[in-house]
Amino acid sequence: KAGVTQTPRYLIKTRGQQVTLSCSPISGHRSVSWYQQTPGQGLQFLFEYFSETQRNKGNFPGRFSGRQFSNSRSEMNVSTLELGDSALYLCASSSTTAFDTDTQYFGPGTRLTVL
Amino acid sequence: TQLLEQSPQFLSIQEGENLTVYCNSSSVFSSLQWYRQEPGEGPVLLVTVVTGGEVKKLKRLTFQFGDARKDSSLHITAAQPGDTGLYLCATPSGYALNFGKGTSLLVTP
Repeated sequence: KAGVTQTPRYLIKTRGQQVTLSCSPISGHRSVSWYQQTPGQGLQFLFEYFSETQRNKGNFPGRFSGRQFSNSRSEMNVSTLELGDSALYLCASSSTTAFDTDTQYFGPGTRLTVL
Repeated sequence: TQLLEQSPQFLSIQEGENLTVYCNSSSVFSSLQWYRQEPGEGPVLLVTVVTGGEVKKLKRLTFQFGDARKDSSLHITAAQPGDTGLYLCATPSGYALNFGKGTSLLVTP
C-alpha cells in the first residue's frame, strides 16, 4: 500500500499570500488530521476530518481552514500568510472511527517558508 | 489540553551507550504513544501503552508506562547511529493527538 502523500513537499511564499496544501491518505483510510510542527512549539493539532466532516479543530486563527473530499483526500488553506506560519505541515491518516486506539500514519510533510 | 513534558530536550551519545528519555504529565493518560521522527520525514509510531505498569519491548527499545499512568519512559540499549531522531510522546484527546515537544537524540559512531 502506498503511504500518505503530501504535495507540494516544499513551498516558499511571501507575507500576505495564501497557500493550499494537499494530502492523500492511505487507500481506505477515512480519517485525516493536520498538524503544524515548529521548533518552538513542537507538533500542534490543526484539524481532523472523517468522511468529509470536521470532528475537531485546534486552537489556530480562522486564517487556517481545511476540507475533506468524498475520496478522503484533504486540503488545508492558510490565508494572509504571516512569518510565523513558516513550519512543517504534517498530515496523518487512519482507517476507523476509533481514533484513540487507531494507528495514525503520517506523511512526510510540506515545508512552508514565508518570507 | 493535557501538557506533556519530555526530558531531556537534547541528548548526544556515543554508539553503544544506553539512554532513557521521559514523558510526564500532571494528568492521567488514557493511553500513550511513542513516535520517532527522522529528518525530512513524518513521525512513525513505535508503540502504544495503555495499562498502568505496562512494559513493552521492541528489539533494543523498552517502553514503560507508570503505575499511575502519569509518566512513561523509553530506554534504548546499546544505541546505534540509526536510532538518531526526534522521539515524541503523544496522547489522544478528542480526535486529536496531543504531543510533547520531543527529545532530539544524536548517536555518533
